[in-house]
Amino acid sequence: DTEVTQTPKHLVMGMTNKKSLKCEQHMGHRAMYWYKQKAKKPPELMFVYSYEKLSINESVPSRFSPECPNSSLLNLHLHALQPEDSALYLCASSQGSAGDPHFGNGTRLTVT
Amino acid sequence: QKEVEQDPGPLSVPEGAIVSLNCTYSNSAFQYFMWYRQYSRKGPELLMYTYSSGNKEDGRFTAQVDKSSKYISLFIRDSQPSDSATYLCAMTGNTGGFKTIFGAGTRLFVKA
Repeated sequence: DTEVTQTPKHLVMGMTNKKSLKCEQHMGHRAMYWYKQKAKKPPELMFVYSYEKLSINESVPSRFSPECPNSSLLNLHLHALQPEDSALYLCASSQGSAGDPHFGNGTRLTVT
Repeated sequence: QKEVEQDPGPLSVPEGAIVSLNCTYSNSAFQYFMWYRQYSRKGPELLMYTYSSGNKEDGRFTAQVDKSSKYISLFIRDSQPSDSATYLCAMTGNTGGFKTIFGAGTRLFVKA
């Protein structure tokens, strides 16, 4: 088991649905990340929060909306997704900015 | 040219073999180097984290960084079928900025 916990593990949603992905870490890390990973590809950075403030948005479409309620929690709100958004969504955390992100096991999202 | 180049494989070896996995990179600003292992349907697991040039050993795993050649390696001794996974190299610059750059990942199969 990892020290970064993600829920749910699997999610199927229609293109008109609204859903949220949740992530929690208790390592005292100050940076939290969302990554997207397609099959047989490396993780792609989406968002970074540092000290609960959005630090990086990698030009992600607005149908993905991140939220960091506190230093241990990270959410990703999903709305009006497209089938091509189907992927493994990974949350990660790190102590500082120079690596080394620690990953959860991800939420496998299918958009129908 | 990609910032980080990694042969996607697959690499197939017999049990007990020494495995050598490699990445090359082009950005001389990279200072922190990581290797992740990712099993199917799981998140990447941090195996090794090194700063600058040199070697680091942890059990059956040895990470090497040669900054003069912009080349990093991961060696796995006495490989086991349970080592079958995708191995991702990753690196971050000294200025950090939270952007970890991943290689494509090498798929490794260890045959019993």
